[in-house]
Amino acid sequence: DQQVKQNSPSLSVQEGRISILNCDYTNSMFDYFLWYKKYPAEGPTFLISISSIKDKNEDGRFTVFLNKSAKHLSLHIVPSQPGDSAVYFCAASYRSNDYKLSFGAGTTVTVRA
Amino acid sequence: EAQVTQNPRYLITVTGKKLTVTCSQNMNHEYMSWYRQDPGLGLRQIYYSMNVEVTDKGDVPEGYKVSRKEKRNFPLILESPSPNQTSLYFCASSTRDRTANEKLFFGSGTQLSVL
Repeated sequence: DQQVKQNSPSLSVQEGRISILNCDYTNSMFDYFLWYKKYPAEGPTFLISISSIKDKNEDGRFTVFLNKSAKHLSLHIVPSQPGDSAVYFCAASYRSNDYKLSFGAGTTVTVRA
Repeated sequence: EAQVTQNPRYLITVTGKKLTVTCSQNMNHEYMSWYRQDPGLGLRQIYYSMNVEVTDKGDVPEGYKVSRKEKRNFPLILESPSPNQTSLYFCASSTRDRTANEKLFFGSGTQLSVL
């Protein structure tokens, strides 16, 4: 049973607008969360992370929000750019260097010009 | 250039014919891992290795073998492939410091089809 769920397989957004990607998890032991980005024919690359002691982490245009009580996190991309078109995976682990990552199914983002 | 190299990129085989997918990294990473990506399921860990001669099962190890005889190489072996092993496979490596997951380097993937 998947412990990390991304219920929206795809998202289409206009260039310059905000993209919001959602992720839910079921295992309350998870305390470290990451987002990875994947382009076609390439492996995933790390994008941004958040520890459970925080509720927000920001890195340039990317912000991740964590709501522990709801077991929910979201990734905001503002403003969205054509180069952001990719598959985004949410992942969770028990700590920042725990090698057993649990991944969601991914959300394909398409940024329209 | 720091990279994780997987070979081959594409492989079509038949049921029962043993195959090996190679993975090599040039970053002197201690940790290496194999994942498979399937539609609707995301990436699932098959096996991982914390260092030379140290390997352990991930979430979906059935039907796979691995070995870690050298630090840089971590081959994935399918002794008797079956159609349900048709998937996109990724090898990854990382350091073993406290931000290991943020430094996880993935290869470009191997698309395997078992007929």
